[in-house]
Amino acid sequence: EAQVTQNPRYLITVTGKKLTVTCSQNMNHEYMSWYRQDPGLGLRQIYYSMNVEVTDKGDVPEGYKVSRKEKRNFPLILESPSPNQTSLYFCASARLSGNTIYFGEGSWLTVV
Amino acid sequence: AQTVTQSQPEMSVQEAETVTLSCTYDTSESDYYLFWYKQPPSRQMILVIRQEAYKQQNATENRFSVNFQKAAKSFSLKISDSQLGDAAMYFCAYRGFEGAQKLVFGQGTRLTINP
Repeated sequence: EAQVTQNPRYLITVTGKKLTVTCSQNMNHEYMSWYRQDPGLGLRQIYYSMNVEVTDKGDVPEGYKVSRKEKRNFPLILESPSPNQTSLYFCASARLSGNTIYFGEGSWLTVV
Repeated sequence: AQTVTQSQPEMSVQEAETVTLSCTYDTSESDYYLFWYKQPPSRQMILVIRQEAYKQQNATENRFSVNFQKAAKSFSLKISDSQLGDAAMYFCAYRGFEGAQKLVFGQGTRLTINP
């Protein structure tokens, strides 16, 4: 079954404690991306990757890092989380030439 | 940069009736895709319908159809025979035809179905 898997699905953490949200896809997609969803703002792109070792900033990259060492994985790293990073996060993947984007189930992150 | 605007934060409709959700967008590109996504309480992102800008014919998927007005940059979603399971947040999204698969989302419209 085609899947984009995110972990953890729910997390409460404290300000400044580094955390990583993992994302893995089993469709051999070149393109992967992270979005955050906030009330009244819709989803906004944080970072994206068009292939292994190729990453670039989206619209709201501040406070986040990513890496793409393997094609299937695209972790989102919060080096020093702050309360304004409390949000619902989505990982997505797609073929570069395709027109269907697959979303993970979302990760609720609360920073206190 | 492209922008997508959904001017209706909330909408409600009686079960079995028809409702239309509005979406406008701004772009200088001539080729692109437009999407409507449904987000139920589970928060899963579900693709409802997709429209290619080069196609004049409006897309339809069962009870869901769009009214795509390219010149006006308008892309509304019509839900016919509304069902309780249609209650959700609906997002309009834009994607350029070439390059990275970036989606630009609107703010969302929360749809309530009244029994």
